[in-house]
Amino acid sequence: TQLLEQSPQFLSIQEGENLTVYCNSSSVFSSLQWYRQEPGEGPVLLVTVVTGGEVKKLKRLTFQFGDARKDSSLHITAAQPGDTGLYLCAGANTGNQFYFGTGTSLTVIP
Amino acid sequence: DTGVSQDPRHKITKRGQNVTFRCDPISEHNRLYWYRQTLGQGPEFLTYFQNEAQLEKSRLLSDRFSAERPKGSFSTLEIQRTEQGDSAMYLCASTPSGGGDTQYFGPGTRLTVL
Repeated sequence: TQLLEQSPQFLSIQEGENLTVYCNSSSVFSSLQWYRQEPGEGPVLLVTVVTGGEVKKLKRLTFQFGDARKDSSLHITAAQPGDTGLYLCAGANTGNQFYFGTGTSLTVIP
Repeated sequence: DTGVSQDPRHKITKRGQNVTFRCDPISEHNRLYWYRQTLGQGPEFLTYFQNEAQLEKSRLLSDRFSAERPKGSFSTLEIQRTEQGDSAMYLCASTPSGGGDTQYFGPGTRLTVL
């Protein structure tokens, strides 16, 4: 059962544009992770957010955890072709289980 | 390279055959997870181990699936009597003890059932 919904599911933008990906749930999570996955490879961790309202920045990527710890967003500034990939959010519960979102497939066109 | 490794990377089999995949987690990581991922979807949880104990199994894990982690280090996932619907990427991830909620994934095993 997918407890996390991501939107949009697909996104195709021009190099240099900004974008935001959303990850929403009705469940509260102890933490939330964002991953990027290339075709044929496993997901690679980008960031973990733990505290409600927390904002983390990783170069051109900004991650925010909702105040109620039910949702998160990923904002990319000035997207580059190297940002192309499948972006996944995953929520962790106190029972050490992780629930992945449906994924957002991003294509950045040079 | 001290990351999570999986073997084989690709497996093609005929329907009805048994297959076994191996996962070697990062050394001293006590939690190990198995996921299944189909094209364009997020990974779906199958099972996880803390050391050698299998603590949780998803309802997705039918009785044709079995996982072991006998010595609390590497793990194997076996699928018996494979079906075409088993075709997917099988991912393994490990988490350090006291390491919070950070998972480190292996490259996955791509299974194709003909």
